[in-house]
Amino acid sequence: GAGVSQSPSNKVTEKGKDVELRCDPISGHTALYWYRQSLGQGLEFLIYFQGNSAPDKSGLPSDRFSAERTGGSVSTLTIQRTQQEDSAVYLCASSPGTGGYTFGSGTRLTVV
Amino acid sequence: DQQVKQNSPSLSVQEGRISILNCDYTNSMFDYFLWYKKYPAEGPTFLISISSIKDKNEDGRFTVFLNKSAKHLSLHIVPSQPGDSAVYFCAAKEGTYKYIFGTGTRLKVLA
Repeated sequence: GAGVSQSPSNKVTEKGKDVELRCDPISGHTALYWYRQSLGQGLEFLIYFQGNSAPDKSGLPSDRFSAERTGGSVSTLTIQRTQQEDSAVYLCASSPGTGGYTFGSGTRLTVV
Repeated sequence: DQQVKQNSPSLSVQEGRISILNCDYTNSMFDYFLWYKKYPAEGPTFLISISSIKDKNEDGRFTVFLNKSAKHLSLHIVPSQPGDSAVYFCAAKEGTYKYIFGTGTRLKVLA
């Protein structure tokens, strides 16, 4: 597609449930990032994928968070046993290398 | 601890006047900076960048100034237009691929 596509755009889940967020990057972009923005906070780095290299997971806030990128394209961010503090907008971005990002519109996650 | 700080959460400016958005950083190793603009329900979009070898970069109505000794950058929008109303994030490049973002400043341009 022309841009970075994220789904769903909104997700409301009950505390304790697992959720999966999907990101479809721009075709040909080798780098993929996940960020999140909690209320009143900046964009917080979560994870970075680059080609076939091992991902940089240094930003994942707990072991309930995991992400994978299949075939160097689509990525899924999984949050297990969701907590209320996980409520945020989760943003995916891709880039052709180490330059600036193109962001998707985000997934607004609300844990009730 | 925030390495990139935008201390003004909001700013209101009259249409046609100058908007100045400020950003401070703590790490003197940062050498590349970006500004992003974000409208509600959309992802941030790239606006303008500056490398530490420069102290100014201009693109149309948007100019970014970098003061390395003060670890400060600012985005100037002249003249401001109602369509500029958005949240503006500054970001600093850490290492080769990661950007550290500030908390954003919500700009409102009044018609």
